[in-house]
Amino acid sequence: KAGVTQTPRYLIKTRGQQVTLSCSPISGHRSVSWYQQTPGQGLQFLFEYFSETQRNKGNFPGRFSGRQFSNSRSEMNVSTLELGDSALYLCASSGTSGAYTQYFGPGTRLTVL
Amino acid sequence: ILNVEQSPQSLHVQEGDSTNFTCSFPSSNFYALHWYRWETAKSPEALFVMTLNGDEKKKGRISATLNTKEGYSYLYIKGSQPEDSATYLCASLDQTGANNLFFGTGTRLTVIP
Repeated sequence: KAGVTQTPRYLIKTRGQQVTLSCSPISGHRSVSWYQQTPGQGLQFLFEYFSETQRNKGNFPGRFSGRQFSNSRSEMNVSTLELGDSALYLCASSGTSGAYTQYFGPGTRLTVL
Repeated sequence: ILNVEQSPQSLHVQEGDSTNFTCSFPSSNFYALHWYRWETAKSPEALFVMTLNGDEKKKGRISATLNTKEGYSYLYIKGSQPEDSATYLCASLDQTGANNLFFGTGTRLTVIP
């Protein structure tokens, strides 16, 4: 069974630009969650999509948005990039509820110059 | 937002030593507790998902216990090996039914050969 894939793996953008990251979950998983990791911080929850609907959202500004398609693939968009958005962005896919293991992708390393 | 704390922040042990780390989480509205192992340049790897008070899980030389009444979990590694060197993360969920994991900042384990 193929694992969670994320594209691109590395990205360099400049302040003010926007970026779209993609996540393909494990086949059959309908939940995709996104996390951000910055130096010195733990993984912080951005949002979760389940069956094309945003089910929960973390404490991030509206510049961070996402969506999920009917095949469960998910995209995350960050508009008007700031230097502080430089981070590793991980997505994870899982079954229905929090009692299921979340399987993480390799992440996208975003650098904002 | 759930406040999840892990201790110690980092740990150096000799090969063959046994070790353990602690994860503290809010006990109210507890739903599940996840443990992950994260090696540098790899994806976080799921170790355990625990939901019931008194749960004990084991995977090879690694085991974990859960106390939901007092809000803590222990991860034990028996006979540490250099390949156990990684950051060990715990994450808690509350009863929202969604998959938003609240992570601790991790315990970085280094096993010295």
